[in-house]
Amino acid sequence: KNQVEQSPQSLIILEGKNCTLQCNYTVSPFSNLRWYKQDTGRGPVSLTIMTFSENTKSNGRYTATLDADTKQSSLHITASQLSDSASYICVVSATSGTYKYIFGTGTRLKVLA
Amino acid sequence: DTGVSQNPRHKITKRGQNVTFRCDPISEHNRLYWYRQTLGQGPEFLTYFQNEAQLEKSRLLSDRFSAERPKGSFSTLEIQRTEQGDSAMYLCASSRIAVLAEAFFGQGTRLTVV
Repeated sequence: KNQVEQSPQSLIILEGKNCTLQCNYTVSPFSNLRWYKQDTGRGPVSLTIMTFSENTKSNGRYTATLDADTKQSSLHITASQLSDSASYICVVSATSGTYKYIFGTGTRLKVLA
Repeated sequence: DTGVSQNPRHKITKRGQNVTFRCDPISEHNRLYWYRQTLGQGPEFLTYFQNEAQLEKSRLLSDRFSAERPKGSFSTLEIQRTEQGDSAMYLCASSRIAVLAEAFFGQGTRLTVV
């Protein structure tokens, strides 16, 4: 069964600190992996995308890594800001005839002043 | 065209009533997806269209649910005989036809069945 699991489920950090979110997946055949940010009551917005051959991708203070051998990804947030408070969702796309996105349950991040 | 638009943003309905949601995708996007998201969970795939053809439906999409995209542009999602378990955020997304195409999401329609 294609699954995407994320940890931790929730996280509280102080403004200015760094944090790392984890994603493990069992999706096969693997096409690509995205990290999305979802603010409360809004639709998800893409942060990064990585294919099988990419190990790391940055978008400002967000850096995603991918280990396709172990099927693990991480999202590192540097120098967190209050506006980083949101859910971060790992999304894996499988190429099994249809381009379907498989979502993790997300990590809810709260950044405190 | 600034993005994917969903209407209404919020809907409260009594159990047993029918509801219909609308999604207007980004104009040049051929693919349109519907997802359902409950509190604390990631979005769950419901169905997707390529142009006007509905190519896949999830087992989550019971016979009370029907989606259409009649002209390959906007889409509607109808839920008949709503149940309290249908309460959720219904998200629509659209994308181009490409392996790495990004799916852009609307802000969702929050349904509450009382």
